[in-house]
Amino acid sequence: EIVLTQSPGTLSLSPGERATLSCRASQSVSSSYLAWYQQKPGQAPRLLIYGASSRATGIPDRFSGSGSGTDFTLTISRLEPEDFAVYYCQQYSSSQRTFGQGTKVEIK
Amino acid sequence: QVQLQESGPGLVKPSETLSLTCTVSGDSISTYYWSWIRQPPGKGLEWIGCIHYSGSTNYNPSLQSRVTISVDTSNNQFSLKLSSVTAADTAVYFCARGWVYFTYWGQGALVTVSS
Repeated sequence: EIVLTQSPGTLSLSPGERATLSCRASQSVSSSYLAWYQQKPGQAPRLLIYGASSRATGIPDRFSGSGSGTDFTLTISRLEPEDFAVYYCQQYSSSQRTFGQGTKVEIK
Repeated sequence: QVQLQESGPGLVKPSETLSLTCTVSGDSISTYYWSWIRQPPGKGLEWIGCIHYSGSTNYNPSLQSRVTISVDTSNNQFSLKLSSVTAADTAVYFCARGWVYFTYWGQGALVTVSS
């Protein structure tokens, strides 16, 4: 099973700042099979990025994904108030899907 | 607009079987794969398994011995059964569309395992 480790656990930033979230895999992951989700309290996760760098429908362009192999990054260029949430990466490999433990982006 | 809605008992006794159904609207269940994902309170996400409308399934190895996912194309629904539950199975259970990544999600159903 591929383990995804996200860092940092918590990111304290102010609106307007840039957020950089990391997701590291225990084995190489195909870029086609790496996704990012946003989850707010009491809500279901929302797909932000798939294929490591493609934005899902309706996702603002301040969200971008990059990376390959074992290191992937989600960047939020300028934080809006509605972006403070928990973010998860997720991979598909060998018919299995696993999620990272999440990064909480909180207001500083 | 695609919508998914979980339904089922919110309380299950230890050693019994958890049963949930996901009703899909705005889309035909006969076009994609459909998954179950769970989230224990205050914790992260765990994929449980998925099903194709043909009935083909794929399960998380850690749960495989206790999980059954089935599909009812006539009612545009798919279902989850998890047997021999313990307190560790207490979680919000989400249904979702997809098998590589998950594009649409239900709102989630909290299932508590307790006597």
